[in-house]
This record gives sequence, C-alpha cells and structure tokens, in this order.
Amino acid sequence: SQQGEEDPQALSIQEGENATMNCSYKTSINNLQWYRQNSGRGLVHLILIRSNEREKHSGRLRVTLDTSKKSSSLLITASRAADTASYFCATFPLDDYKLSFGAGTTVTVRA
Amino acid sequence: DTGVSQDPRHKITKRGQNVTFRCDPISEHNRLYWYRQTLGQGPEFLTYFQNEAQLEKSRLLSDRFSAERPKGSFSTLEIQRTEQGDSAMYLCASSPRTGGFTEAFFGQGTRLTVV
Repeated sequence: SQQGEEDPQALSIQEGENATMNCSYKTSINNLQWYRQNSGRGLVHLILIRSNEREKHSGRLRVTLDTSKKSSSLLITASRAADTASYFCATFPLDDYKLSFGAGTTVTVRA
Repeated sequence: DTGVSQDPRHKITKRGQNVTFRCDPISEHNRLYWYRQTLGQGPEFLTYFQNEAQLEKSRLLSDRFSAERPKGSFSTLEIQRTEQGDSAMYLCASSPRTGGFTEAFFGQGTRLTVV
C-alpha cells in the first residue's frame, strides 16, 4: 500500500503561473522527498525536507512540511513548459529504510 | 554518466516465459531498491538490499520473483512464468549509506510488456 496521497491528481496551468500540489501521509517520518518523472522515464529527486524542518527552497521550488497534520506542499513558481511531468511525494518513515510513494500529481504547463 | 543503469530498457515477452532485468547502481552506494510502477500509479516497493544482503521483500513479490545482488554490486530481478499482470515499469534505485536517509537515485527503468 502507498503511504502518501497527492492532491490534486492532475493540474493544468499556463506558462508563468505557479503550481501547487499537496501530499498527505500516515505515519511518523524521518524525512519527506519530492520527485519528478517525465513520461516513461525514471524519477529525479527534487528536494528533501527533514521532519524538524518546516520550509525549504530550491530554485523555483518551495516545499513546506507540517508534521502535526502529516502533510506537505510543493510549490513551483513561474512554471515553464519543461515542468510538465508527474510529481511524487515520498516519505521515509521513522522505523523503516525505504521510500513510500504516493500516486502522484500530473502537471501540464501550457505554452 | 555514472548514474544508475538498467538493462534492458524495454522487454516484450510471451506469457509463461522467464525474464531477467539488471541494475547497476552508483558504485559507492550500498543500498539498492527495486520498485514496480504501473500506469498512473506511484512506484511500489518490491525489495531492498544493503550490500549483498536482501533485507526486505514486499508481499507484492510472489514466489515467481527473485532478486539477487552478488558481492553487493549489480543486482538482478528475475520473474518466472510471467503473467499479464506483471506488465509494468520496473525501477531500480540506489542510495548511499550516510548518517541519515538521503535521496534515492533512480535508473530509467525497464518497461515489461507481457503478451
């Protein structure tokens, strides 16, 4: 079974707009990570946020983490056509050593 | 390119045949994972190696599936007597052993189609 649930399942935005997607999870975590997957390809790591962190930035990405609500959000600012992909959150539970993935959010950026 | 390498990238096989996939992790990484991904879903954990030791197998991994990592280097995933339900993308990932749990580096995957 998958640990995380992303919302929305799909998102379509205009180039230049911001994209926000959310992730909820079930168990206590060591860290939470976001990955991107282009169609039919492998996953690429975007950003990692530890359980004692609340917000993290990397370029046009901003991730927040609320451990009390067991939720995270990923914001992509000033989106580009190249951001079109599926985005997955993955959790590293406290008592485990493997990542558990959600079903992902498919983002389409229209030119 | 010293990333995670998977071979083959695509495999079409007839139902009932055996298939074997190979994964070459990043050389200094001692953790290796296999995941399976079906269309529209996130990756599902199959099995995990630390060096040559297989430390966990998912209940998804039936008796028809076996994985090895001889000498803690490359890994193979074999599926015997393939079924149509085995059609999926099989992803391999590796990560370094550090003080904490860091990112996983994924290969491009092997897409299996069972006809």
